[in-house]
Amino acid sequence: DTAVSQTPKYLVTQMGNDKSIKCEQNLGHDTMYWYKQDSKKFLKIMFSYNNKELIINETVPNRFSPKSPDKAHLNLHINSLELGDSAVYFCASSPAYPANEQYFGPGTRLTVT
Amino acid sequence: AQKVTQAQTEISVVEKEDVTLDCVYETRDTTYYLFWYKQPPSGELVFLIRRNSFDEQNEISGRYSWNFQKSTSSFNFTITASQVVDSAVYFCALDNFNKFYFGSGTKLNVKP
Repeated sequence: DTAVSQTPKYLVTQMGNDKSIKCEQNLGHDTMYWYKQDSKKFLKIMFSYNNKELIINETVPNRFSPKSPDKAHLNLHINSLELGDSAVYFCASSPAYPANEQYFGPGTRLTVT
Repeated sequence: AQKVTQAQTEISVVEKEDVTLDCVYETRDTTYYLFWYKQPPSGELVFLIRRNSFDEQNEISGRYSWNFQKSTSSFNFTITASQVVDSAVYFCALDNFNKFYFGSGTKLNVKP
């Protein structure tokens, strides 16, 4: 059974489009995260939700909007995609915040052309 | 300012050697958390450890050990008797409640 799953695994789209990446965890965790890893492998946390409440909201363009319909899901919606949004996006979950352990999804490679 | 520095960009060792990955952090806060993550060539991210700022006890988990020293603001990671499967990029990170900072990562190459 996959603990943290993300769909899609690969996403190729054109500039200006709107896209969503879905994340689901079946671990019963309270906290979920979105991370971005750019082409130089730099990692950055974008958002974190604890019990569906936003607790970390780093400085990211407001074209990025997280949505947590329930504790098991944290989706990432991106409007008006730009070339610089090309990256690998990782979803993760942890039992609580601060995290004493984290489980990551396999990543979604987004390519904006 | 909050900052995490991993000065070693890339390290190469031969299997069975011990290797230490350095992590130096900056924070004005007294309460914070430090993390290590592993990213093997396959690309997934693996959580390795979290320490809080009040617990300076060193931690050992199998061949892995972590040395946390507040006096030098360092949280170093040692792999004993390295193996080829340890080849990966290792990231150190600092979390001081709602602010999260990653180091730039150290790529470890373990050669047979």
